[in-house]
Amino acid sequence: DIQMTQSPSSLSASVGDRVTITCQASQDISNYLNWYQQKPGKAPKLLIYDASNLETGVPSRFSGSGSGTDFTFTISSLQPEDIATYYCQQYDNLPPTFGQGTKVEIK
Amino acid sequence: EVQLVESGGGLVQPGGSLRLSCAASGFTFSSYWMSWVRQAPGKGLEWVANIKQDGSEKYYVDSVKGRFTISRDNAKNSLYLQMNSLRAEDTAVYYCARGRDPEWCLFDLWGRGTLVTVSS
Repeated sequence: DIQMTQSPSSLSASVGDRVTITCQASQDISNYLNWYQQKPGKAPKLLIYDASNLETGVPSRFSGSGSGTDFTFTISSLQPEDIATYYCQQYDNLPPTFGQGTKVEIK
Repeated sequence: EVQLVESGGGLVQPGGSLRLSCAASGFTFSSYWMSWVRQAPGKGLEWVANIKQDGSEKYYVDSVKGRFTISRDNAKNSLYLQMNSLRAEDTAVYYCARGRDPEWCLFDLWGRGTLVTVSS
């Protein structure tokens, strides 16, 4: 199975800050990498697909980049409603696997 | 409204069985791969199984092979997960998720989940 390693596991930032999360795959997954947001008690929501494509309806402050084994997810200006846990997920190979998550909090 | 609604969760003893259902509405259910994804309390996400549009292909994570069976009824717009020989480590919220065509594991729609607790 492909292992997905996210960092950091948690972070605290101020409103308006730029937030960056990284995700590393244990082998080349091309651009088959998605990012999800999960708010407490809610289902995950797709934000970014295929490494860098913004899902319809998702604010443009969210972005993604990378290919191969190294990927980055960015919130350009953190908003209070962005408090959530963020997961990367690869779907290059079965089984699809998720990173362990990054919990984002407001400082 | 485009949505997925899971049901069937509950408390079950180790070794017991449970059948989860997922009702789809607002889209052409028969056109999509469908998956079950679970989340143990306070933990991350784990894909469990998926099924092709016509039910002809099914895949499972190793930890549930031989115990869980995924199925679907396109006439009823419903997805199912039959869970047998349940273990404490199967305790989780189970989500059904739609795979965006043609990417079977790009999950663009999720249900709210149903909680399965395996405990004596």
